[in-house]
Amino acid sequence: NAGVTQTPKFRILKIGQSMTLQCTQDMNHNYMYWYRQDPGMGLKLIYYSVGAGITDKGEVPNGYNVSRSTTEDFPLRLELAAPSQTSVYFCASSRSQETQYFGPGTRLLVL
Amino acid sequence: AQSVSQHNHHVILSEAASLELGCNYSYGGTVNLFWYVQYPGQHLQLLLKYFSGDPLVKGIKGFEAEFIKSKFSFNLRKPSVQWSDTAEYFCAAHAGNNRKLIWGLGTSLGVNP
Repeated sequence: NAGVTQTPKFRILKIGQSMTLQCTQDMNHNYMYWYRQDPGMGLKLIYYSVGAGITDKGEVPNGYNVSRSTTEDFPLRLELAAPSQTSVYFCASSRSQETQYFGPGTRLLVL
Repeated sequence: AQSVSQHNHHVILSEAASLELGCNYSYGGTVNLFWYVQYPGQHLQLLLKYFSGDPLVKGIKGFEAEFIKSKFSFNLRKPSVQWSDTAEYFCAAHAGNNRKLIWGLGTSLGVNP
């Protein structure tokens, strides 16, 4: 049972480049989340989804996009990378309002 | 607005010292409460949770937390910390029908051997 997996683990982007952070869960959870974590700032919710085809904005959605075509996958898209998007990104999933299970994270550096 | 506040941003203790990390939430209705831990270089994992019932909940690695409704608090405790407890601790709450988990800013705990 893999739980929540994320790829890549680490990426360096140039300003203006785009990329997709992948997230997959094998627990058949309806709820999935994308967070960013910056030092001393805790976790900030970027986007979340309560099921396939349903997504909604979190606290800091600007500069990001998501899609949820299947229960398992919830990719996060950065269209025009900016230095302010340098962060660690965590994907999580849960069954409704219960325990969230986190992936190992993607460390992104935008130069 | 619903919020979760953690009183201590940084705590440093010696091994065998007792630990209490404060957490308060701002919501008067039904609330589910969580403590998550993030060990250095790792992802977050659940330490313990409270949904209903006994307000004193026990989690992994000897941690416990007490839900005090009148104080809107859910403080985390451990009688005797170990060096391996060095980590960041996050309190979080699901308030009512809110689909989003509300997170505190975290407390960084350092334990000196």
